Amino acid sequence: AQKITQTQPGMFVQEKEAVTLDCTYDTSDQSYGLFWYKQPSSGEMIFLIYQGSYDEQNATEGRYSLNFQKARKSANLVISASQLGDSAMYFCAMREEQDTGRRALTFGSGTRLQVQP
Amino acid sequence: GAGVSQSPSNKVTEKGKDVELRCDPISGHTALYWYRQSLGQGLEFLIYFQGNSAPDKSGLPSDRFSAERTGGSVSTLTIQRTQQEDSAVYLCASSPRGMSQPQHFGDGTRLSIL
Repeated sequence: AQKITQTQPGMFVQEKEAVTLDCTYDTSDQSYGLFWYKQPSSGEMIFLIYQGSYDEQNATEGRYSLNFQKARKSANLVISASQLGDSAMYFCAMREEQDTGRRALTFGSGTRLQVQP
Repeated sequence: GAGVSQSPSNKVTEKGKDVELRCDPISGHTALYWYRQSLGQGLEFLIYFQGNSAPDKSGLPSDRFSAERTGGSVSTLTIQRTQQEDSAVYLCASSPRGMSQPQHFGDGTRLSIL
């Protein structure tokens, strides 16, 4: 089973509207972290937001918020007031505590978001 | 401050040649990672360095791939006898120690094997 699943290969949203990008994960660990990254067409990976498994409140960073539903193992990214510059690939990633020798991220396949004027 | 620096930004080489990719992490970051991203795909973990500990090489796809990190800073990923399936963007990332610390990525090296 895939550890990170992003079921939306592509999404469209109108400028100034909000959009939710889905991410579900699979882990047996109690301690883990969830990350979202943005990759514009230029290729760089830009960190957006982090949610720890023990965090009781949903993470927020400016226009980005993470809708964390632990029981459902979902960590959806919400972008409010979309801007044309938000058009990019978005990756959900997880780091598990049980990988004690490794702190690498496991990435989903990504969602391509296109913001339309 | 300076981010993660990777060189070269692009590399085109013939099948069978060896290539070296370089990564200069953010100063003070103890962890360094190499990932590979094939066209239109997510990132695939290759290797991880943490301080002076033995590296985690569990993601390397074959023994043609190797990496070293000198002095706890700069890292070099070497691919020997390149094959066409090695064509990809190779991304390096670094982070401070800590579960919640995000990884900061370089701009990558786009490797094309003819």
